[in-house]
Amino acid sequence: GAGVSQSPRYKVAKRGQDVALRCDPISGHVSLFWYQQALGQGPEFLTYFQNEAQLDKSGLPSDRFFAERPEGSVSTLKIQRTQQEDSAVYLCASSFIDRGNTGELFFGEGSRLTVL
Amino acid sequence: DAKTTQPPSMDCAEGRAANLPCNHSTISGNEYVYWYRQIHSQGPQYIIHGLKNNETNEMASLIITEDRKSSTLILPHATLRDTAVYYCIVRVALNQGGKLIFGQGTELSVKP
Repeated sequence: GAGVSQSPRYKVAKRGQDVALRCDPISGHVSLFWYQQALGQGPEFLTYFQNEAQLDKSGLPSDRFFAERPEGSVSTLKIQRTQQEDSAVYLCASSFIDRGNTGELFFGEGSRLTVL
Repeated sequence: DAKTTQPPSMDCAEGRAANLPCNHSTISGNEYVYWYRQIHSQGPQYIIHGLKNNETNEMASLIITEDRKSSTLILPHATLRDTAVYYCIVRVALNQGGKLIFGQGTELSVKP
């Protein structure tokens, strides 16, 4: 499809397990964002990439969270030693920086992580 | 912290205009006003954005006050499919480090 694709859509992990969430942005989109959305809350910013460079990771909640985008396209969000408070929907968004640099974001449908 | 204030919920009758207010009294001169919405179990969807002037597209109109301290999103003929959480966000341009910071939004219920 032409939109942002995320996988898996649903993931159940036991506490302490590592998980990896994948994001395929829209082809040609330079900017890529990860957000975390807890139940009943608005999305919270995690990290931002421009091409392969991670320019902002101020929202990552702990050093258990790690994101990469090695070739400037697909991105992976990795969570090590998952905890119950990591249960949330993880949203990926991409943007093509237009001439005005206002950059409308296109979001995927998210990966719902449940940690037991 | 989000820099906008929105009512937590609103109702609107189907076919009528939905007017969603947003206060952003601390907005800076280089910050844009963005509106996104999130239908249940989906990712947020871009609606419209503006800097100073009022804007209109196929989805909605955005009215920004002259002092830019508040704005209103107008859905001219609301349908049941417009039921969603609507987020008003202010941010600088992407090349200035701008990122979307979501607040709690307004939960709009369109009723038959």
